[in-house]
Amino acid sequence: KQEVTQIPAALSVPEGENLVLNCSFTDSAIYNLQWFRQDPGKGLTSLLLIQSSQREQTSGRLNASLDKSSGRSTLYIAASQPGDSATYLCAVRYSGGGADGLTFGKGTHLIIQP
Amino acid sequence: EAGVTQSPTHLIKTRGQQATLRCSPISGHTSVYWYQQALGLGLQFLLWYDEGEERNRGNFPPRFSGRQFPNYSSELNVNALELEDSALYLCASTNPTSGRDYNEQFFGPGTRLTVL
Repeated sequence: KQEVTQIPAALSVPEGENLVLNCSFTDSAIYNLQWFRQDPGKGLTSLLLIQSSQREQTSGRLNASLDKSSGRSTLYIAASQPGDSATYLCAVRYSGGGADGLTFGKGTHLIIQP
Repeated sequence: EAGVTQSPTHLIKTRGQQATLRCSPISGHTSVYWYQQALGLGLQFLLWYDEGEERNRGNFPPRFSGRQFPNYSSELNVNALELEDSALYLCASTNPTSGRDYNEQFFGPGTRLTVL
């Protein structure tokens, strides 16, 4: 079964720390992997998309890596700020016989303490 | 450039009724995806429409259906509503001509459906 798992489920850190969110997926046959943030009761904001042929993508203080062989992705957030508090979701678009939509993890609920 | 829009923001229905949710994609995007985010279940893929056709669906019963109009906007219909259909319904759009490896999905703000 094609699944996505995110660890940890929740994380609370003081402002200014660098942090890493983890995502694992069960099948290396993917088109791409996307990281999103979701604020309470809101829609999703796309942060980064990594194509299957890429190893990492960067946007500002965010860096995402992709290792298809081990089925892992990490989202690195540098110099965290209170405004980074949100739920971060990892989603994979599987290419091997899936339903063609994104398969999401349950998310990491991140709190940055001022 | 306007993002993905959805209406209504909130919808309250009773068991057995039908609900209709609407989505307008980003200009130039021809593919629309629907997802359900129910409490405790996470985000689950519902339906995919492209060029007016249903291309694929997730593991949901047939009472979840929809359509895509010539202007690429889309409608999700949920018949015979059940209490467990209460959820945030999210719509996403993408431009499939950019290739499947780079099919970044952009999401709307969602419709909160409450079934009483």
